[in-house]
Amino acid sequence: DQQVKQNSPSLSVQEGRISILNCDYTNSMFDYFLWYKKYPAEGPTFLISISSIKDKNEDGRFTVFLNKSAKHLSLHIVPSQPGDSAVYFCAVYNQGGKLIFGQGTELSVKP
Amino acid sequence: DADVTQTPRNRITKTGKRIMLECSQTKGHDRMYWYRQDPGLGLRLIYYSFDVKDINKGEISDGYSVSRQAQAKFSLSLESAIPNQTALYFCATSETGGAKETQYFGPGTRLLVL
Repeated sequence: DQQVKQNSPSLSVQEGRISILNCDYTNSMFDYFLWYKKYPAEGPTFLISISSIKDKNEDGRFTVFLNKSAKHLSLHIVPSQPGDSAVYFCAVYNQGGKLIFGQGTELSVKP
Repeated sequence: DADVTQTPRNRITKTGKRIMLECSQTKGHDRMYWYRQDPGLGLRLIYYSFDVKDINKGEISDGYSVSRQAQAKFSLSLESAIPNQTALYFCATSETGGAKETQYFGPGTRLLVL
């Protein structure tokens, strides 16, 4: 049973526009959430995180929003750049202290 | 130099063969992990180790074994490879394992089992 879901396998956005990547989770006890970015032939790299005590965390062009009542988080990239083209994974820490990953969303930013 | 390295980067093997994937890190982290990535399934945890004397099964450990030879080295073995073990394998490390830890990933090993 998938505890972390990214329902959009792919997303295509024009350069300069906003990219919005979505993630849903099932367990209301999850309290720490992360986004990882992965380029081809490389391992995932940490991008941004958010604790459940916040509803927003911003780092430059990247902002993560958390809606606890909906058990939903999203990653906004503004403005999107071609170098942002990658696979994005959301991840959460379970009660055992281990990361659970979503399926990933492949973002393509077109010039 | 990369902080987390994996060898080999690519491997083709045949059903029934035993193979080993190796991971080394220079970050000085105590905690190490092995994941596999499959299309449409994200990354799933195979085994993890919190220190040299500690080995724990993850979500999908069947058919795999690991060895933590030193703080810096964590190997994954497939005792008798089967085609559904064809996947991209990642090693990762972390410092504390706490709620705010960041895991650092190696570049991955692409394994094809024929």
